[in-house]
Amino acid sequence: GESVGLHLPTLSVQEGDNSIINCAYSNSASDYFIWYKQESGKGPQFIIDIRSNMDKRQGQRVTVLLNKTVKHLSLQIAATQPGDSAVYFCAENRGDNDMRFGAGTRLTVKP
Amino acid sequence: DAGVIQSPRHEVTEMGQEVTLRCKPISGHDYLFWYRQTMMRGLELLIYFNNNVPIDDSGMPEDRFSAKMPNASFSTLKIQPSEPRDSAVYFCASSFRSGGWRDTQYFGPGTRLTVL
Repeated sequence: GESVGLHLPTLSVQEGDNSIINCAYSNSASDYFIWYKQESGKGPQFIIDIRSNMDKRQGQRVTVLLNKTVKHLSLQIAATQPGDSAVYFCAENRGDNDMRFGAGTRLTVKP
Repeated sequence: DAGVIQSPRHEVTEMGQEVTLRCKPISGHDYLFWYRQTMMRGLELLIYFNNNVPIDDSGMPEDRFSAKMPNASFSTLKIQPSEPRDSAVYFCASSFRSGGWRDTQYFGPGTRLTVL
């Protein structure tokens, strides 16, 4: 069946390095994608989103890239900091609030 | 705005007891969602409301689960009777359909439910 999935369940990076978290989706009809960050004991927090008519969107230290050809989404975090340690979820909107969340990738930042 | 508010933050109960989880969405938001998060299944959408009306409850696991939204500022998720397999973190989220393309859901802090 169609699903949202992540290539890497865990990612460990050195403080100051850039991080890249990947996500694959299979529903070509999905038109809106969101990255969420979830810290321990908290709810998912919106980071950045992208519409399917875009292939790149930048925020503060974060960039989301969308490759519709291969149905791939990535989140890039520049100059990763200890406060970036969390679980990151991608979510796809299949229409009418049908949001599907990936399994999540745990990012650990080493000092 | 205080964000989405959930209560209680933690709930420990015994099997067979009734559990009620509460949520106050962000003021002005017209969509409200209930999710369940477990290590095994990740984030699962249970039910969502639009303007206080349940739209899709296909994610509700069984009849033991029920949800209500009596007004725009309050919703409950009830489990009766509770079972150990219901142990999870339950999140409430809300969003505003502005007519544009951004339907970002804002999540509450969650209620960690433990059923013994």
